[in-house]
Amino acid sequence: EAQVTQNPRYLITVTGKKLTVTCSQNMNHEYMSWYRQDPGLGLRQIYYSMNVEVTDKGDVPEGYKVSRKEKRNFPLILESPSPNQTSLYFCASKVTGGIGYTFGSGTRLTVV
Amino acid sequence: GEDVEQSLFLSVREGDSSVINCTYTDSSSTYLYWYKQEPGAGLQLLTYIFSNMDMKQDQRLTVLLNKKDKHLSLRIADTQTGDSAIYFCAESPQNRDDKIIFGKGTRLHILP
Repeated sequence: EAQVTQNPRYLITVTGKKLTVTCSQNMNHEYMSWYRQDPGLGLRQIYYSMNVEVTDKGDVPEGYKVSRKEKRNFPLILESPSPNQTSLYFCASKVTGGIGYTFGSGTRLTVV
Repeated sequence: GEDVEQSLFLSVREGDSSVINCTYTDSSSTYLYWYKQEPGAGLQLLTYIFSNMDMKQDQRLTVLLNKKDKHLSLRIADTQTGDSAIYFCAESPQNRDDKIIFGKGTRLHILP
């Protein structure tokens, strides 16, 4: 089944403890992207990648890192999480020139 | 800058038609989308319209695009309880294959 898989689905962590949210897609898509969803703010793009080893900042990149060493994987790294990064995170992928992103099921992160 | 606006809530009686409206600012957008988010799930691409079209119909869904007024609407005919979700209007800026800009979402509530 064609899908974008994120792990974990839920995560509670403490301020300052490094964490990684994994994202994997099995559709051979070139583009991958991370969004965060917050009440009243909708979805905002954090980082995106156009292909292996090519990443760029979205609208709200501060406090996040990403890497794209392989086409299928696009992990989101929070080196020192803070409470304002408590949010619902979505990974998404699309083919170059394709219509719309395919989204993962989301990761609900709480930083205390 | 780029922006997508939509009302936050809509209540509709079961069996009636739902109309969700959206305005956007980027007149050069290539595609405009409607995504659906059910509780606890990721975003699912519901339908889309290319910017040179006025209307698109797909079973119970009708999308209307007024480029002059930068207005997009989604009509759901014969609204069912399964249509209860958050609906996001979104646009793809021209020459930005990576980027989709989302509105804040309209929560559709179905009354019995």
